[in-house]
Amino acid sequence: NAGVTQTPKFRILKIGQSMTLQCAQDMNHNYMYWYRQDPGMGLKLIYYSVGAGITDKGEVPNGYNVSRSTTEYFPLRLELAAPSQTSVYFCASSYALGGGVDGYTFGSGTRLTVV
Amino acid sequence: TQLLEQSPQFLSIQEGENLTVYCNSSSVFSSLQWYRQEPGEGPVLLVTVVTGGEVKKLKRLTFQFGDARKDSSLHITAAQPGDTGLYLCAGGTYFGNEKLTFGTGTRLTIIP
Repeated sequence: NAGVTQTPKFRILKIGQSMTLQCAQDMNHNYMYWYRQDPGMGLKLIYYSVGAGITDKGEVPNGYNVSRSTTEYFPLRLELAAPSQTSVYFCASSYALGGGVDGYTFGSGTRLTVV
Repeated sequence: TQLLEQSPQFLSIQEGENLTVYCNSSSVFSSLQWYRQEPGEGPVLLVTVVTGGEVKKLKRLTFQFGDARKDSSLHITAAQPGDTGLYLCAGGTYFGNEKLTFGTGTRLTIIP
C-alpha cells in the first residue's frame, strides 16, 4: 500500500508566489490533516478534514487554504508565500479522529523554503 | 488547551546505554500514542496505550501509561544507533472524538 503520498518533496518559492502541496491517501480514511514542523520543533496543525467537503482550521491556519472534494485528496494551498512559511509540511490521515489503535499515517513531507 | 510536555528535549547517549523519555500533561487522556520520526521522513506510530498503568513492550522499547492517564514514559534498553530520531507522544481525548494533541518532542541521538 502506498499510504499517504505527498508531492513535491522539495520546493523553493519566492516571496509572494503561490503553490499547492498535494496529498493523496489510498486507505479510504475519512480524516485528513496538514501539519507544519519547524526545525527542532513538534507538529502544529494547520487544517484538517473529517470527510469530503468538510474542513476546519487548526492552530496555525493563516496564509493557507484547503479543499477536500474527494476522500482521497486533500491539497494545501499557500497564497502569497512569506519567509515565515518556510517549514516542512506533513499530510496525515486516520480512520478515527483520535487516531484509534492505528494512529495517524503520515506522508514523507514537503520541505518548503521561501526566499 | 491541552499541552503535552516532553523531557528531555534533547538527549545524546552512547550506544548500549539505557534511557527514559517522559511525556507529561495536566490533562487526562483516554489514549496515548508514541511516534518515531527519522530524518527526512514523517512520524511513524510505535505504540498505543489506553489503560491507566498499562505497560507495553516492543523489543527493547518499554512504554508505560501513568495510572492517572496524565503521563507516559518510553524506556529504551541498550540503545542502538537505529534508535536515533525524534520521539513524539500524542494524547487522545473523549475516547477518540477529538484530534490528537502532539507533544513537544524529544530528539534522541545514539552515538556509536
